[in-house]
Amino acid sequence: DTEVTQTPKHLVMGMTNKKSLKCEQHMGHRAMYWYKQKAKKPPELMFVYSYEKLSINESVPSRFSPECPNSSLLNLHLHALQPEDSALYLCASSQSERAGYTFGSGTRLTVV
Amino acid sequence: GQQVMQIPQYQHVQEGEDFTTYCNSSTTLSNIQWYKQRPGGHPVFLIQLVKSGEVKKQKRLTFQFGEAKKNSSLHITATQTTDVGTYFCAGPFYGGATNKLIFGTGTLLAVQP
Repeated sequence: DTEVTQTPKHLVMGMTNKKSLKCEQHMGHRAMYWYKQKAKKPPELMFVYSYEKLSINESVPSRFSPECPNSSLLNLHLHALQPEDSALYLCASSQSERAGYTFGSGTRLTVV
Repeated sequence: GQQVMQIPQYQHVQEGEDFTTYCNSSTTLSNIQWYKQRPGGHPVFLIQLVKSGEVKKQKRLTFQFGEAKKNSSLHITATQTTDVGTYFCAGPFYGGATNKLIFGTGTLLAVQP
């Protein structure tokens, strides 16, 4: 299995909702990442997990809360989002911090 | 700050023409990675360059890492419509506990049949 699977593919949520994005990989990769991508822009790093521990938080607002339940799963919990948080949320994994990343197909999030 | 700039921002070519995108980092990099993102898709890893002056080829694609390890280029020979997409370079920057991969600004390639 050489894929990173993200669910859901699309999500529309209100500003008072709570939702979660899920990411799964079975490649044995020990580093996992969340990126945010706005239209016509490069992916922006949000969080890095290394060996299931949060190692980088790029000053992301607390309304985004990551979680790594085990080495194969990565969640992103969303609460009280703003319309400007609408974007493509990409999960990625890599064998090490020096290796190429495998990205999931992303969750396209719309906050209304 | 940590910046990776790419030029051009956008390139439109006729099918069969060559294409080059250039990538420049604000600091020396231990390696440079290249990704392709098709319209509506997600980034797909193409290649990693590690050594100063390194050149690697993948069929019609040629990747080069500069001698000072601060710049890189991707050249596509005889473009095809399947080459359409945004090409990103990306470099690792020190993030404290671990490195973080910062993406360049990207070059969008349009190929007219």
